[in-house]
Amino acid sequence: AQSVTQLGSHVSVSEGALVLLRCNYSSSVPPYLFWYVQYPNQGLQLLLKYTTGATLVKGINGFEAEFKKSETSFHLTKPSAHMSDAAEYFCAVSEGETSGSRLTFGEGTQLTVNP
Amino acid sequence: GAGVSQSPSNKVTEKGKDVELRCDPISGHTALYWYRQSLGQGLEFLIYFQGNSAPDKSGLPSDRFSAERTGGSVSTLTIQRTQQEDSAVYLCASSLGSPHGIQYFGAGTRLSVL
Repeated sequence: AQSVTQLGSHVSVSEGALVLLRCNYSSSVPPYLFWYVQYPNQGLQLLLKYTTGATLVKGINGFEAEFKKSETSFHLTKPSAHMSDAAEYFCAVSEGETSGSRLTFGEGTQLTVNP
Repeated sequence: GAGVSQSPSNKVTEKGKDVELRCDPISGHTALYWYRQSLGQGLEFLIYFQGNSAPDKSGLPSDRFSAERTGGSVSTLTIQRTQQEDSAVYLCASSLGSPHGIQYFGAGTRLSVL
């Protein structure tokens, strides 16, 4: 079965600083990986996804993530944090095709951006 | 509608009562998913519907939980004889149903069992 580990349940950065949210996965099949963001009292919004092809994936709001198979990682980065980036971020892996697209999520990382 | 709609947004119930949670997926989406988000367990998959195929119920935590999807569109998640540990946010998502289609999430129903 697939699993996802997010290192750091809380990350705090200063406005303008680099954002790095870590995600490692375990998968028995070629993984399909996602990052979602959740703002208070809202559902999950897709930031970006990796399926096949280019390992550096660009998403919305200036975020990007790099798939590294050798490290089983899919870390999320943004060069310069903005106050509006404060939210909870979830890394997810999709089950194999035979299981449909059900997602297995990490525990989430709460990002705080300090002025 | 423009997005996935869930109702009610909040539900407070007494232990032992039954509750029904509703999900209206994005029009044309053939796949529909229910997840549960709770403090102790994070985000957990509950059930998955794809077209007319038998649903994948492997994530349902007990036989008190059931779900149906009528006419390939609206879905209802029913929890019978609610327990305090059922308190959570229940999220619904829909997708076009390709093997790895993007899942679009609703805002969720926050269930509180007193």
